Amino acid sequence: AQSVTQLDSHVSVSEGTPVLLRCNYSSSYSPSLFWYVQHPNKGLQLLLKYTSAATLVKGINGFEAEFKKSETSFHLTKPSAHMSDAAEYFCVVSDPADSWGKLQFGAGTQVVVTP
Amino acid sequence: DAGVTQSPTHLIKTRGQQVTLRCSPKSGHDTVSWYQQALGQGPQFIFQYYEEEERQRGNFPDRFSGHQFPNYSSELNVNALLLGDSALYLCASSFVSGEEYFGPGTRLTVT
Repeated sequence: AQSVTQLDSHVSVSEGTPVLLRCNYSSSYSPSLFWYVQHPNKGLQLLLKYTSAATLVKGINGFEAEFKKSETSFHLTKPSAHMSDAAEYFCVVSDPADSWGKLQFGAGTQVVVTP
Repeated sequence: DAGVTQSPTHLIKTRGQQVTLRCSPKSGHDTVSWYQQALGQGPQFIFQYYEEEERQRGNFPDRFSGHQFPNYSSELNVNALLLGDSALYLCASSFVSGEEYFGPGTRLTVT
């Protein structure tokens, strides 16, 4: 069985400061890992994905995440937060042995950006 | 390209009723997945349709059923609605097993 745990339900940052969203995973296999963002009244958007290539993954909008097998972590970072980054973020795992790619979502982290 | 579209955007039903939600996939996509997102939680996988067949199912009761049409669009049906079925229902489409693109969702409220 596989799962993800997002360690913070809410994160508040000031505009221009770094963002760190923490995610730990549990998987019997080498997993595929994703970060999705959900803005109010909009669909989920893929930020980045890890599929056993480079451990440092760069995504859209300046986000990146590092896969650390020894720590079973896949934390999401951004050097400088923008007001438009306020949204809900989900860490997601998929079993690569599952050829149909079912996604398993974490509970989410709500990000608030203050001026 | 319109992306993934869902209808209706909002729906209010009474406990015990039945509901049908609709999804049109992104152009070129042949696979549709449905997710339920309860308030304050992450989406949970309901089932996935490919070639008009349900090929994978999450931990949801038989009250949840679906259909995929020859044009790849899909419907989610929920019978005997419970208060706990109130949620945002998300449709995602993909080509074969590629990246899933999500629609904006249908907000279902059961009273």
